[in-house]
Amino acid sequence: GAVVSQHPSWVICKSGTSVKIECRSLDFQATTMFWYRQFPKQSLMLMATSNEGSKATYEQGVEKDKFLINHASLTLSTLTVTSAHPEDSSFYICSAPHRGGGYEQYFGPGTRLTVT
Amino acid sequence: KQEVTQIPAALSVPEGENLVLNCSFTDSAIYNLQWFRQDPGKGLTSLLLIQSSQREQTSGRLNASLDKSSGRSTLYIAASQPGDSATYLCAATGFQKLVFGTGTRLLVSP
Repeated sequence: GAVVSQHPSWVICKSGTSVKIECRSLDFQATTMFWYRQFPKQSLMLMATSNEGSKATYEQGVEKDKFLINHASLTLSTLTVTSAHPEDSSFYICSAPHRGGGYEQYFGPGTRLTVT
Repeated sequence: KQEVTQIPAALSVPEGENLVLNCSFTDSAIYNLQWFRQDPGKGLTSLLLIQSSQREQTSGRLNASLDKSSGRSTLYIAASQPGDSATYLCAATGFQKLVFGTGTRLLVSP
């Protein structure tokens, strides 16, 4: 099956710094990728849709200047949390649809961000 | 706006029981319906995907059904095992974009 990787798997940073999370589709191309955030004991909430070659589309309530998304190639999307604060601590997961699988979504393993 | 709800929120059963997890969605114009498993602190594992034209999918002890007209999907787990303990999430897809349900936390005791 299709594989999506994320890096890093966990990161601890100080308040005010920026953190970059990478999402890669390893064996297929993805013109679109999705970024989700999950708080403890809650479900996944879609943050934004990453589009290769164009601007990302953000869900209502998500600050685009705080969560910068760059879809640099057909296999890589990055999410940068700028000026991180403790309330940004969360589990961030990306996904990519695989056309061959009826647009089945394949998810990365997630990145645990802790802001101190 | 699509809303997805799962019932029950939590379920505790003894090993060997057959069980049903429920998922309901408000907008029937979905592309497909996907069921996932999530272990604590981990990412998602895709279990089954039902395309909008299909009624059900089966994989091993798992069977998922889809009724678009009523906005419902069920995940049936046969002969439950302790290793099935996890959170189960359903997600409705409207052209690639997923809307996740609230999840069902399942605990299967030996």
